[in-house]
Amino acid sequence: QVTLKESGPTLVKPTETLTLTCTFSGFSLNSGGVGVGWFRQPPGKALEWLALIYWDDDERYSPFLRNRLTITKDPSNNQVVLTMTNMAPVDTGTYYCTHRPRPDRSGVVGFDPWGQGTLVTVSS
Amino acid sequence: SYDLTQPPSVSVSPGQTASITCSGDKLGDEYASWYQQKPGQSPMLVIFQDTKRPSGIPERFSGSNSANTATLTISGTQAVDEADYYCQAWDMSTPVFGGGTKLTVL
Repeated sequence: QVTLKESGPTLVKPTETLTLTCTFSGFSLNSGGVGVGWFRQPPGKALEWLALIYWDDDERYSPFLRNRLTITKDPSNNQVVLTMTNMAPVDTGTYYCTHRPRPDRSGVVGFDPWGQGTLVTVSS
Repeated sequence: SYDLTQPPSVSVSPGQTASITCSGDKLGDEYASWYQQKPGQSPMLVIFQDTKRPSGIPERFSGSNSANTATLTISGTQAVDEADYYCQAWDMSTPVFGGGTKLTVL
């Protein structure tokens, strides 16, 4: 059974750097084709993709936030870490991590499952 | 960059069929996935590779994808299906999401 759980601060101040950790089980980030992604969702608004890291260290970032994001992985500890610099109140929202399974014989599959999310508030 | 467009909202009566569209340039050439998100919950995959349902997803959920449009269809819509739905495709190895559709079951 694949599970993921996000952890990190619930409150950060403007201009600070946010560091979130995704701790997962049930799969290995050393397995070919596997990835872990980060998303966020401001209150009452749409889901937004942030970053994705693959088993082979390939990193992908949202073009809108690329200069503020860094995603890293620690397969031995089953963790993926996302850092976001220069936080602002508009960055307030629930942050999710999710599993990108290995493609099957037909091709890529979707993100499944998702963590429960962690609410981050940016305020002084 | 690749964009996916969804209608902001769709309404359906209980027991009727709901269709939610997702439009993108040559979307039919890529696999589309759909996610359901109920208030206060995490997103959940309901359709992948255009037409496939993960284990545990009811048969009333189906999908199609052709030309520039992917469609999520919910047959015999129930009150529990009221949620936000997001489509997703891949641009090379980068995920692209639609803006979401709020499905209201009236």
